[in-house]
Amino acid sequence: QVHLVESGGGVVQPGRSLRLSCEASGFTFSTNGMHWVRQAPGKGLEWLAVISYDGSSQYYADSVKGRFTISRDNSKNTVYLQMNSLRGDDTAVYYCAKYGSGRMMDSWGQGVLVTVSS
Amino acid sequence: DIQMTQSPSSLSASVGDRVTITCRASQNINNYLNWYQQKPGKAPKVLISVASNLQGGVPPRFSGSGSGTDFTLTISNLQPEDSAIYYCQQSLSSRWTFGQGTRVEIK
Repeated sequence: QVHLVESGGGVVQPGRSLRLSCEASGFTFSTNGMHWVRQAPGKGLEWLAVISYDGSSQYYADSVKGRFTISRDNSKNTVYLQMNSLRGDDTAVYYCAKYGSGRMMDSWGQGVLVTVSS
Repeated sequence: DIQMTQSPSSLSASVGDRVTITCRASQNINNYLNWYQQKPGKAPKVLISVASNLQGGVPPRFSGSGSGTDFTLTISNLQPEDSAIYYCQQSLSSRWTFGQGTRVEIK
């Protein structure tokens, strides 16, 4: 059974950095791409980034390109989201999701809340 | 980026009704269109992939159709547990995008 657990969220001041982690289990992590998606309070889903199974390719939404970096450590079954220069509008619940066959997100973590506030 | 537009933004229907949600892409996405259901305080769950492929465990009252730029999610025989927000999402491009969501309420 696929299990994704995000961690690393919390309250951070504007302009500071934060790194989120997503630990995976229940599937062969090293053969699957992974996504990050966020949801601001009361708002819809926003796709942020994807990383290929081996980490060789990454793509980003314009809203975070140049500030956020997705990476992975297949030896630890973990995908990361490094978030720099955080702004108030980055306040959201952040989800990691598994890239499933059929080009969908077939499993999601429970989400982690990031609040950017002074 | 490919823009996804859903309509309506919200709807209210009765148990047993047939409900239709539409999703339009700003360019041809073939059939690379997924539908997700999100209930309050929960992570989204994929219902349908590649426009019409019902995922395992999803009740058959859910169905998807369409190709190119216009897609539809249909819930036949609406049930109380279907109260949720539904999102479409394209996966043609390397940078995926979601529609803004459709809130389905039960009268």
